[in-house]
Amino acid sequence: DVKVTQSSRYLVKRTGEKVFLECVQDMDHENMFWYRQDPGLGLRLIYFSYDVKMKEKGDIPEGYSVSREKKERFSLILESASTNQTSMYLCASSSTGLAGGHETQYFGPGTRLLVL
Amino acid sequence: KQEVTQIPAALSVPEGENLVLNCSFTDSAIYNLQWFRQDPGKGLTSLLLIQSSQREQTSGRLNASLDKSSGRSTLYIAASQPGDSATYLCAVRRDAGKSTFGDGTTLTVKP
Repeated sequence: DVKVTQSSRYLVKRTGEKVFLECVQDMDHENMFWYRQDPGLGLRLIYFSYDVKMKEKGDIPEGYSVSREKKERFSLILESASTNQTSMYLCASSSTGLAGGHETQYFGPGTRLLVL
Repeated sequence: KQEVTQIPAALSVPEGENLVLNCSFTDSAIYNLQWFRQDPGKGLTSLLLIQSSQREQTSGRLNASLDKSSGRSTLYIAASQPGDSATYLCAVRRDAGKSTFGDGTTLTVKP
């Protein structure tokens, strides 16, 4: 079974703090994603990575950065946390199919972040 | 810009009923469409993935169909059970790596 793990289930931080959210997958997937989920807004893509050291902006990258130094690990960084970044953060990974198509996304359990 | 709509937003049915969840999307140029289940406070669990060249996929009591030309997908759940209660989301993969998610349908199956 594919396993995607996230470093914390719950996190409480103060405004202005630098926050690191870690995600690790164990299936050698090329692609990794960070989403946030908010009531009424659904899931929105923050960043994704299709290879080590490669990253692309999603729909809402402002206020976030990412790092992918190893294939299995994808980190989301909030440089200076703000209250509007209080949310559920979900990490996902997927492989790239033989024909180049993107295969099933597997999600981690989520990190619920509260910024005070 | 791809938009994904799921109707209804909430559905309550008695146990044993067959039901259909709907997902519509505005841009038919898609890579694939995936259905997920999400339990409260948890991550998403993949149910079915349909590639753009496919018309349907089946897994157990679940059947998902895809009609790209009309921008629609349906998730059919046969003989529903209380354990099926969850939020069901569809996600349309629109280009390299990027998916657009619907807001979900929250299903309650009453014993």
